[in-house]
Amino acid sequence: DQQVKQNSPSLSVQEGRISILNCDYTNSMFDYFLWYKKYPAEGPTFLISISSIKDKNEDGRFTVFLNKSAKHLSLHIVPSQPGDSAVYFCAASARGSGANNLFFGTGTRLTVIP
Amino acid sequence: NAGVTQTPKFRILKIGQSMTLQCTQDMNHNYMYWYRQDPGMGLKLIYYSVGAGITDKGEVPNGYNVSRTTTEDFPLRLELAAPSQTSVYFCASSLDRGTGELFFGEGSRLTVL
Repeated sequence: DQQVKQNSPSLSVQEGRISILNCDYTNSMFDYFLWYKKYPAEGPTFLISISSIKDKNEDGRFTVFLNKSAKHLSLHIVPSQPGDSAVYFCAASARGSGANNLFFGTGTRLTVIP
Repeated sequence: NAGVTQTPKFRILKIGQSMTLQCTQDMNHNYMYWYRQDPGMGLKLIYYSVGAGITDKGEVPNGYNVSRTTTEDFPLRLELAAPSQTSVYFCASSLDRGTGELFFGEGSRLTVL
């Protein structure tokens, strides 16, 4: 049972436009959400996170939105750049469990077309 | 500035063979983890450690063993390799229990034939 779901395996966007990556979760106990970025032949790298007490967190071109009632979060990248082409993983953790109980989605491959 | 280092990067095993995936981190992190990623799937936690001498099972521990004798090293042992263990393995570390912000190694691709 996949508690964190990324239903779009891939997404293509023109350079300069907005990229929106979506993630849904089923466990209402999740209270911290993260996005990781992965290039080929490399390990995932942490990108941005959000606590359940917030509904938005922004870091430069990256913004994560959280809709707790819908159990949905999204990552917005604007403007998109070719270097953003990578696989993006959504992850979630439950209260008090921290990093040893982190659930990952299956990933969305973003391609930014120059 | 090495971060988390995994070896080997690639390995082909025959069914029934054993091997150890090595993982070393130079950030003095207390927490270390082993994940596996199967094609089209998210990362799943195999084992984790909260400090030297302390390890615990994750979501998919069967067929694996770990040890943590030092803060830096967290090897993953595969006993009696099976085709189902064909996967990409990632070692990761974090300073504390925190919120899930992990530092990952580059991964080790293992094929069992």
